Amino acid sequence: QLQLHESGPGLVKPSETLSLTCSVSGGSTSSTSYYWGWIRQTPGKGLEWIGTIYYSGNTYYNPSLKSRVTISLDTSKSQFSLRLSSVTAADTAVYYCARIIGYSGYGADHWGQGTLVAVSS
Amino acid sequence: DIQLTQSPSSLSASVGDRVTITCQASQHISNDIIWYQQKPGKAPKLLIYDASTLETGVPSRFSGGGSGTDFTLTISSLQPEDIATYFCQQYEDLRLTFGGGTKVEVK
Repeated sequence: QLQLHESGPGLVKPSETLSLTCSVSGGSTSSTSYYWGWIRQTPGKGLEWIGTIYYSGNTYYNPSLKSRVTISLDTSKSQFSLRLSSVTAADTAVYYCARIIGYSGYGADHWGQGTLVAVSS
Repeated sequence: DIQLTQSPSSLSASVGDRVTITCQASQHISNDIIWYQQKPGKAPKLLIYDASTLETGVPSRFSGGGSGTDFTLTISSLQPEDIATYFCQQYEDLRLTFGGGTKVEVK
């Protein structure tokens, strides 16, 4: 049974870099059928896709966040990571990692439980 | 970029009612729509892909329809466990976009 679990600091200071890791168990991050992504949720903006990485290392980012986002994948550890630089209060959100099906609409069929990250001094 | 507009933003219905949620795309997207259900404090759950295909394990009272720019999610007989917020999602060039959500409550 595939499981994803986010980990990282729950509080980040403004202008610093948010770093989160998603650990995947019960499945392979080397599969050619899936992508691995980060999605965040705020009360005001709803669900917002941050970016996606494929097993090959190819990345796809939300244009509105692209200049600040880096997603990386470590298949040997079955982990993928998110770095979001120069954060502001607007980046306060629940951050989810997810497996994204690489066909049929690219839906996210498995999600982590989500981790709340607050940006505050 | 393609935008998704959901309506209504919230609705209140009785148990047993038929409930329909709409999702309108700003451009033609064939049938590339996903529907999710999200309960409070939980991650979204994938319900429907390719506009009308139920994910394994999803009750048959859920159905999806539409193509092009207009899509619907229908609950044929609302159950208490269906109280949640529902989101649509599409992808364009592997960039995902979500609708604003529809909160379904019981009268």
